[in-house]
Amino acid sequence: DADVTQTPRNRITKTGKRIMLECSQTKGHDRMYWYRQDPGLGLRLIYYSFDVKDINKGEISDGYSVSRQAQAKFSLSLESAIPNQTALYFCATSAPAQPQHFGDGTRLSIL
Amino acid sequence: GQQLNQSPQSMFIQEGEDVSMNCTSSSIFNTWLWYKQDPGEGPVLLIALYKAGELTSNGRLTAQFGITRKDSFLNISASIPSDVGIYFCAGQLSTGNQFYFGTGTSLTVIP
Repeated sequence: DADVTQTPRNRITKTGKRIMLECSQTKGHDRMYWYRQDPGLGLRLIYYSFDVKDINKGEISDGYSVSRQAQAKFSLSLESAIPNQTALYFCATSAPAQPQHFGDGTRLSIL
Repeated sequence: GQQLNQSPQSMFIQEGEDVSMNCTSSSIFNTWLWYKQDPGEGPVLLIALYKAGELTSNGRLTAQFGITRKDSFLNISASIPSDVGIYFCAGQLSTGNQFYFGTGTSLTVIP
């Protein structure tokens, strides 16, 4: 089983819809992250959480929200999806000051 | 946010050749990481570097933490077809908790 599991793996939806991407981990890490990947731009941090009660904005948080439901679960929401949010989304986890471990990504297309 | 300049953007090489890529920043980092991403999957950690001047190997891969702490290099020796993918550098500032990612180097190995 994967240590960091993202669902769904693929999603196509329409402009204005609310979307939730989910991430769960079995690594026991306190820290969890959401990134967005666009061609030529690498990975950009959307939100991160160092603990269940801790939520921090990353580089590109506008238009997104997150919820840390438990140590093992971190979800990303798009309240009203727009086409320029079409991208590959990755969840990652880490122990403090340690490298991040990534899920296999969610490919999101907004029409 | 921080910008990591990764080069080259893409490489096409013959099987058996050596590969070099690098990552530079205008800021000083205290950690450098190198990841590889295969199509349809999330980035996987290859090498982590924690000290200026550090040289670390992982099989045919060797990475170095530049002595200025503003750059890092990754070399792959005797490339093989399964080396194909996108390689990302990531750096962490001494003053922060985030990792910043480069824009990636796409490697194609021609058999």
